[in-house]
Amino acid sequence: DAGITQSPRHKVTETGTPVTLRCHQTENHRYMYWYRQDPGHGLRLIHYSYGVKDTDKGEVSDGYSVSRSKTEDFLLTLESATSSQTSVYFCAIRVDRTGYGYTFGSGTRLTVV
Amino acid sequence: KQEVTQIPAALSVPEGENLVLNCSFTDSAIYNLQWFRQDPGKGLTSLLLIQSSQREQTSGRLNASLDKSSGRSTLYIAASQPGDSATYLCAVQPSGNTPLVFGKGTRLSVIA
Repeated sequence: DAGITQSPRHKVTETGTPVTLRCHQTENHRYMYWYRQDPGHGLRLIHYSYGVKDTDKGEVSDGYSVSRSKTEDFLLTLESATSSQTSVYFCAIRVDRTGYGYTFGSGTRLTVV
Repeated sequence: KQEVTQIPAALSVPEGENLVLNCSFTDSAIYNLQWFRQDPGKGLTSLLLIQSSQREQTSGRLNASLDKSSGRSTLYIAASQPGDSATYLCAVQPSGNTPLVFGKGTRLSVIA
């Protein structure tokens, strides 16, 4: 199984502070994704990466930036956290083997107060 | 823009019942479709993936079908158990290089 870990698992931060969430994979899959999950909205794509230093925006990218300097790590940064960014954040990878699809991390619960 | 809809949003059934969860999508040109399960407070667990060239996939008591021409997929759960209680999410990958688009899920409760 593709290993994927997210850190931290929980975080409380204050409005206006920068926050960085980390996603780490143990294999070398090319595609990685950040989604947020909110009641009533389901899972929405924030940003994704298709290789080292190659990233693209999703439907809810405003206020977020990402970086991928190594294949195994994909970082999501909230540049100046707002209460509307209180959410559960999930990282996912697309397994580079036909028929396997996506694997998700356990999520980061972020609260902005 | 691909949109994915799951109806109903919630479903409650007695233990032992066979049930069908529905997923519809607006653009029939898809790469694949994946069903996930999510337990409260947890991440997503992949259940089944159907490639665009396939009609169905089976795993244990689960069977997922795909009808691209009508923009529909169903997840059939046989002999439901209380342990099947969870939210079931359907997601479509529009093309080989585009990310998954999710439905909002169906919350299933199986009552003992």
